[in-house]
Amino acid sequence: GQSLEQPSEVTAVEGAIVQINCTYQTSGFNGLFWYQQHAGEAPTFLSYNVLDGLEETGRFSSFLSRSKGYSYLLLKELQMKDSASYLCAVTLPDGYKLSFGAGTTVTVRA
Amino acid sequence: EAGVTQFPSHSVIEKGQTVTLRCDPISGHDNLYWYRRVMGKEIKFLLHFVKESKQDESGMPNNRFLAERTGGTYSTLKVQPAELEDSGVYFCASSHQAGGELFFGEGSRLTVL
Repeated sequence: GQSLEQPSEVTAVEGAIVQINCTYQTSGFNGLFWYQQHAGEAPTFLSYNVLDGLEETGRFSSFLSRSKGYSYLLLKELQMKDSASYLCAVTLPDGYKLSFGAGTTVTVRA
Repeated sequence: EAGVTQFPSHSVIEKGQTVTLRCDPISGHDNLYWYRRVMGKEIKFLLHFVKESKQDESGMPNNRFLAERTGGTYSTLKVQPAELEDSGVYFCASSHQAGGELFFGEGSRLTVL
C-alpha cells in the first residue's frame, strides 16, 4: 500500500519562510509532485522531483531524498495569496497514477 | 487555452438517486483521470482513460460507479444508486502524456442526503 504523511496545518506571517514536510512509504516510486489548492479551486502544479536534490521555481523550492522517503516544499517571502492547501503526491511504478497525502493547510497572517 | 472543466460544480441528491458528472479535458489530451476526495481524507485515484479506453479502473469503489469516454473526448462518471458514503469532491484531470503533468478541474462536489 501507499502512505504519505504531511502536517495538517501551518500558520505563518507575511514575509516569513515555511517548510512543509512530506514523508512517504510506497511500493515503488517514480517521482513526487507538489500541488497547491485554494479553497474551491483546482489543484495546480507546483513542482515535480524525480532525482535527489533541490528544485527551485521562484519563491518555491522542493527537495527530495529518495533514500529517506522524504520531501519538503519551501515557501519563501510568504504572501497572503499563498494561503492554501499544499498536497504532496507520489507517482507509482506504473507512472501515471498519483497517490496523495492529505494536504497541509497554510494560513498566512498579516 | 481552456482548462479542464467539470459539471456540475455542486450536486445535492438523495440516497438511491442517480447522478452523472461530466468532465471536459484540455483539448488534445488523450489521458483523462478521475479522482475523488471524501471528507477529511486524501484525494484518491478512481480510473484512467487513454482516449476512449479504460487503462486502469482499479480505484473504482464498486459497480455503482460507471465511467465512460465515448469518442475519446469528454468523460462522464455516473453513480447509480448513490449512497451516503459517495459524498465528496470528484476531480477530473487530464494530461498530454501518461505520467506527465496533470491539469485538474475544479471538481464536482457531490452531497448525498
